[in-house]
Amino acid sequence: DAGVIQSPRHEVTEMGQEVTLRCKPISGHNSLFWYRQTMMRGLELLIYFNNNVPIDDSGMPEDRFSAKMPNASFSTLKIQPSEPRDSAVYFCASTAAGANTEAFFGQGTRLTVV
Amino acid sequence: RKEVEQDPGPFNVPEGATVAFNCTYSNSASQSFFWYRQDCRKEPKLLMSVYSSGNEDGRFTAQLNRASQYISLLIRDSKLSDSATYLCAVSGYALNFGKGTSLLVTP
Repeated sequence: DAGVIQSPRHEVTEMGQEVTLRCKPISGHNSLFWYRQTMMRGLELLIYFNNNVPIDDSGMPEDRFSAKMPNASFSTLKIQPSEPRDSAVYFCASTAAGANTEAFFGQGTRLTVV
Repeated sequence: RKEVEQDPGPFNVPEGATVAFNCTYSNSASQSFFWYRQDCRKEPKLLMSVYSSGNEDGRFTAQLNRASQYISLLIRDSKLSDSATYLCAVSGYALNFGKGTSLLVTP
């Protein structure tokens, strides 16, 4: 199994630009989580999908952030417009059955907004 | 108040030492509890789940105290390779993580 696949691994962009992060969960998993990790705030949950439906997006910082899961094998996290304070590592994770089972993480996308 | 809180450390211990981490959570309705390990510039990976009766996996022991709403991780006979950040995770409605506790095991 290839595991959770995220792309790109690194992204450097200028303030104001649109950024799209991509995630392919493990085949057969029904839950997908987007997290953001910084030294100051740790690993923060941004949004949680179950069976492709957003269940909890209370962690999304503001309207500049949006996430979609058009099908069971693909999700995107978009930031528009990006700001320097969005610089962080963004992780996607999937589980086989909701929040109470092991989460498998992708390798993350390291985003730098200059 | 964050849902899951941990002492960030760092914990610097010599090889062979025993070290313990605690983690507290705020939601009394939480259902499942985990410890994850994260190496530098890598993704978190599950170390062990935490069961109500406590559980052990080799040198690692995890315990849950529902009354006081905390979980703990004990590492015995520390190895250099145990150096990492240890994240506790608590789930109910969603899966929330603490900020992590940094451990450095020195020769």
